[in-house]
Amino acid sequence: GAVVSQHPSWVICKSGTSVKIECRSLDFQATTMFWYRQFPKQSLMLMATSNEGSKATYEQGVEKDKFLINHASLTLSTLTVTSAHPEDSSFYICSARPQGWAKNIQYFGAGTRLSVL
Amino acid sequence: KQEVTQIPAALSVPEGENLVLNCSFTDSAIYNLQWFRQDPGKGLTSLLLIQSSQREQTSGRLNASLDKSSGRSTLYIAASQPGDSATYLCAVTGNQFYFGTGTSLTVIP
Repeated sequence: GAVVSQHPSWVICKSGTSVKIECRSLDFQATTMFWYRQFPKQSLMLMATSNEGSKATYEQGVEKDKFLINHASLTLSTLTVTSAHPEDSSFYICSARPQGWAKNIQYFGAGTRLSVL
Repeated sequence: KQEVTQIPAALSVPEGENLVLNCSFTDSAIYNLQWFRQDPGKGLTSLLLIQSSQREQTSGRLNASLDKSSGRSTLYIAASQPGDSATYLCAVTGNQFYFGTGTSLTVIP
Protein backbone atom coordinates (compact mmCIF):
# COMPACT_ATOMS: atom_id res chain seq x y z
CA GLY A 1 0.00 0.00 0.00
CA ALA A 2 0.89 3.66 -0.30
CA VAL A 3 3.27 4.84 2.41
CA VAL A 4 3.93 8.38 3.55
CA SER A 5 6.96 8.94 5.73
CA GLN A 6 7.29 11.92 8.02
CA HIS A 7 10.52 12.98 9.70
CA PRO A 8 11.29 13.69 12.46
CA SER A 9 8.61 12.08 14.57
CA TRP A 10 9.41 14.32 17.53
CA VAL A 11 11.44 17.50 17.80
CA ILE A 12 12.19 19.79 20.71
CA CYS A 13 13.62 23.22 20.00
CA LYS A 14 14.31 26.51 21.68
CA SER A 15 12.09 29.49 21.11
CA GLY A 16 13.25 31.55 18.14
CA THR A 17 14.79 28.71 16.18
CA SER A 18 13.46 27.22 12.96
CA VAL A 19 12.41 23.62 12.49
CA LYS A 20 12.02 21.69 9.25
CA ILE A 21 9.65 18.74 8.89
CA GLU A 22 9.84 16.42 5.90
CA CYS A 23 7.01 14.52 4.26
CA ARG A 24 7.89 11.85 1.70
CA SER A 25 5.76 9.58 -0.41
CA LEU A 26 7.78 6.38 -0.53
CA ASP A 27 6.17 4.31 -3.26
CA PHE A 28 4.17 6.78 -5.30
CA GLN A 29 4.41 10.24 -6.77
CA ALA A 30 2.35 13.02 -5.28
CA THR A 31 1.74 16.30 -7.05
CA THR A 32 -0.27 17.44 -4.05
CA MET A 33 0.53 17.13 -0.37
CA PHE A 34 -1.31 18.56 2.59
CA TRP A 35 -0.18 19.85 5.98
CA TYR A 36 -2.40 19.62 9.04
CA ARG A 37 -2.00 20.78 12.63
CA GLN A 38 -3.59 19.10 15.61
CA PHE A 39 -3.72 20.60 19.09
CA PRO A 40 -4.27 18.30 22.09
CA LYS A 41 -7.73 16.78 22.16
CA GLN A 42 -8.69 18.67 19.04
CA SER A 43 -9.17 17.61 15.48
CA LEU A 44 -6.89 18.03 12.51
CA MET A 45 -7.03 21.42 10.86
CA LEU A 46 -5.77 21.90 7.32
CA MET A 47 -2.97 24.46 7.24
CA ALA A 48 -1.96 24.44 3.61
CA THR A 49 -2.00 22.56 0.33
CA SER A 50 1.39 21.97 -1.21
CA ASN A 51 1.65 21.66 -4.99
CA GLU A 52 4.77 20.38 -6.69
CA GLY A 53 6.58 23.12 -8.52
CA SER A 54 4.32 25.94 -7.41
CA LYS A 55 3.47 27.99 -4.35
CA ALA A 56 1.48 26.46 -1.55
CA THR A 57 -2.08 27.49 -0.85
CA TYR A 58 -2.61 28.49 2.76
CA GLU A 59 -5.84 28.30 4.71
CA GLN A 60 -7.27 31.42 6.24
CA GLY A 61 -5.47 32.44 9.41
CA VAL A 62 -2.26 30.51 8.65
CA GLU A 63 0.79 32.74 8.34
CA LYS A 64 2.64 31.86 5.16
CA ASP A 65 5.82 33.60 6.30
CA LYS A 66 5.86 31.58 9.48
CA PHE A 67 5.06 28.21 7.97
CA LEU A 68 7.19 27.90 4.86
CA ILE A 69 6.27 25.06 2.53
CA ASN A 70 8.44 23.74 -0.25
CA HIS A 71 7.35 20.97 -2.63
CA ALA A 72 10.43 20.60 -4.77
CA SER A 73 9.81 17.10 -6.10
CA LEU A 74 6.99 14.66 -6.66
CA THR A 75 7.90 12.75 -3.52
CA LEU A 76 8.95 15.40 -1.02
CA SER A 77 7.31 18.35 0.69
CA THR A 78 8.83 20.22 3.61
CA LEU A 79 7.26 22.43 6.25
CA THR A 80 9.57 24.88 8.02
CA VAL A 81 8.31 26.53 11.17
CA THR A 82 10.32 29.74 11.31
CA SER A 83 11.17 31.48 14.56
CA ALA A 84 9.17 28.95 16.51
CA HIS A 85 7.44 29.98 19.73
CA PRO A 86 5.77 27.89 22.44
CA GLU A 87 2.35 28.50 20.91
CA ASP A 88 3.57 26.66 17.79
CA SER A 89 3.91 23.48 19.83
CA SER A 90 1.55 21.03 18.23
CA PHE A 91 1.25 17.79 16.31
CA TYR A 92 1.84 18.28 12.59
CA ILE A 93 0.60 15.67 10.11
CA CYS A 94 1.14 15.57 6.38
CA SER A 95 -0.76 13.65 3.74
CA ALA A 96 -0.18 12.98 0.07
CA ARG A 97 -2.48 12.42 -2.86
CA PRO A 98 -1.16 10.01 -5.50
CA GLN A 99 -0.64 11.65 -8.86
CA GLY A 100 -3.71 11.34 -11.05
CA TRP A 101 -5.93 10.05 -8.28
CA ALA A 102 -9.17 11.63 -7.15
CA LYS A 103 -8.98 14.53 -4.75
CA ASN A 104 -10.68 12.54 -2.03
CA ILE A 105 -7.85 10.04 -1.63
CA GLN A 106 -5.01 10.95 0.70
CA TYR A 107 -2.47 8.89 2.58
CA PHE A 108 -1.30 10.20 5.94
CA GLY A 109 2.07 10.34 7.60
CA ALA A 110 2.64 9.33 11.20
CA GLY A 111 2.95 12.92 12.35
CA THR A 112 5.59 15.12 13.97
CA ARG A 113 5.30 16.33 17.52
CA LEU A 114 6.87 19.77 17.90
CA SER A 115 7.67 21.07 21.36
CA VAL A 116 9.01 24.62 21.56
CA LEU A 117 10.64 25.52 24.87
CA LYS B 1 -18.24 25.73 5.52
CA GLN B 2 -18.45 22.03 6.34
CA GLU B 3 -18.62 21.24 10.05
CA VAL B 4 -18.13 17.74 11.39
CA THR B 5 -19.23 16.76 14.88
CA GLN B 6 -18.59 13.53 16.74
CA ILE B 7 -20.56 12.28 19.70
CA PRO B 8 -19.67 11.21 22.30
CA ALA B 9 -16.33 12.90 22.87
CA ALA B 10 -15.27 10.07 25.14
CA LEU B 11 -16.55 6.59 25.79
CA SER B 12 -15.53 3.88 28.22
CA VAL B 13 -16.91 0.36 27.91
CA PRO B 14 -16.13 -3.08 29.32
CA GLU B 15 -14.50 -5.58 27.03
CA GLY B 16 -16.88 -7.52 24.83
CA GLU B 17 -19.51 -4.83 24.46
CA ASN B 18 -20.80 -3.67 21.11
CA LEU B 19 -20.66 0.08 20.63
CA VAL B 20 -21.62 2.84 18.24
CA LEU B 21 -19.77 6.04 17.47
CA ASN B 22 -21.57 8.89 15.78
CA CYS B 23 -20.50 11.45 13.23
CA SER B 24 -22.60 14.24 11.76
CA PHE B 25 -21.81 16.78 9.07
CA THR B 26 -23.56 19.91 7.88
CA ASP B 27 -23.06 19.83 4.11
CA SER B 28 -24.28 16.71 2.35
CA ALA B 29 -22.32 17.48 -0.83
CA ILE B 30 -19.44 15.12 -0.07
CA TYR B 31 -17.31 12.76 -2.12
CA ASN B 32 -16.91 10.22 0.63
CA LEU B 33 -16.66 9.71 4.37
CA GLN B 34 -13.76 8.01 6.05
CA TRP B 35 -13.21 6.67 9.55
CA PHE B 36 -9.72 6.76 11.04
CA ARG B 37 -8.10 5.46 14.16
CA GLN B 38 -5.47 7.50 15.96
CA ASP B 39 -3.37 6.12 18.80
CA PRO B 40 -1.86 8.61 21.28
CA GLY B 41 0.90 10.65 19.66
CA LYS B 42 0.57 8.77 16.40
CA GLY B 43 -0.71 9.40 12.91
CA LEU B 44 -3.91 8.22 11.30
CA THR B 45 -4.84 4.70 10.32
CA SER B 46 -7.65 4.44 7.79
CA LEU B 47 -10.35 2.02 8.90
CA LEU B 48 -13.19 2.35 6.44
CA LEU B 49 -14.03 4.54 3.48
CA ILE B 50 -17.60 4.94 2.27
CA GLN B 51 -18.17 6.49 -1.12
CA SER B 52 -21.01 9.00 -1.34
CA SER B 53 -23.07 6.52 -3.39
CA GLN B 54 -22.70 3.77 -0.79
CA ARG B 55 -24.59 3.23 2.42
CA GLU B 56 -22.19 1.07 4.39
CA GLN B 57 -18.84 -0.66 4.51
CA THR B 58 -17.66 -3.53 6.65
CA SER B 59 -14.23 -4.70 7.71
CA GLY B 60 -13.96 -7.43 10.31
CA ARG B 61 -15.65 -6.27 13.52
CA LEU B 62 -16.20 -2.79 12.11
CA ASN B 63 -19.22 -1.58 10.21
CA ALA B 64 -19.71 1.99 9.05
CA SER B 65 -22.92 3.40 7.67
CA LEU B 66 -23.61 6.60 5.79
CA ASP B 67 -26.86 8.54 5.45
CA LYS B 68 -25.82 11.43 3.28
CA SER B 69 -29.24 13.08 3.19
CA SER B 70 -29.35 13.42 6.95
CA GLY B 71 -25.64 14.16 7.27
CA ARG B 72 -24.88 11.23 9.54
CA SER B 73 -22.54 8.30 9.79
CA THR B 74 -22.08 5.66 12.46
CA LEU B 75 -19.19 3.36 13.22
CA TYR B 76 -20.25 0.12 14.85
CA ILE B 77 -17.62 -1.91 16.70
CA ALA B 78 -18.63 -5.42 17.63
CA ALA B 79 -17.24 -7.36 20.57
CA SER B 80 -14.87 -4.60 21.65
CA GLN B 81 -11.35 -5.45 22.82
CA PRO B 82 -8.79 -3.51 24.88
CA GLY B 83 -6.73 -3.11 21.71
CA ASP B 84 -9.55 -1.05 20.25
CA SER B 85 -8.76 1.73 22.73
CA ALA B 86 -7.85 4.79 20.66
CA THR B 87 -9.34 7.98 19.30
CA TYR B 88 -11.64 7.52 16.32
CA LEU B 89 -11.94 10.32 13.81
CA CYS B 90 -14.39 10.69 10.99
CA ALA B 91 -13.62 12.87 7.99
CA VAL B 92 -15.76 13.96 5.07
CA THR B 93 -14.25 15.03 1.80
CA GLY B 94 -15.38 17.81 -0.48
CA ASN B 95 -12.59 19.92 -1.90
CA GLN B 96 -10.58 18.99 1.15
CA PHE B 97 -10.77 16.73 4.17
CA TYR B 98 -12.88 17.98 7.07
CA PHE B 99 -12.22 16.16 10.30
CA GLY B 100 -14.41 15.70 13.33
CA THR B 101 -13.10 16.25 16.85
CA GLY B 102 -12.94 12.55 17.54
CA THR B 103 -14.25 10.07 20.07
CA SER B 104 -11.78 8.78 22.62
CA LEU B 105 -12.58 5.13 23.28
CA THR B 106 -11.36 3.13 26.26
CA VAL B 107 -12.14 -0.57 26.42
CA ILE B 108 -11.70 -1.90 29.94
CA PRO B 109 -10.39 -5.47 30.28
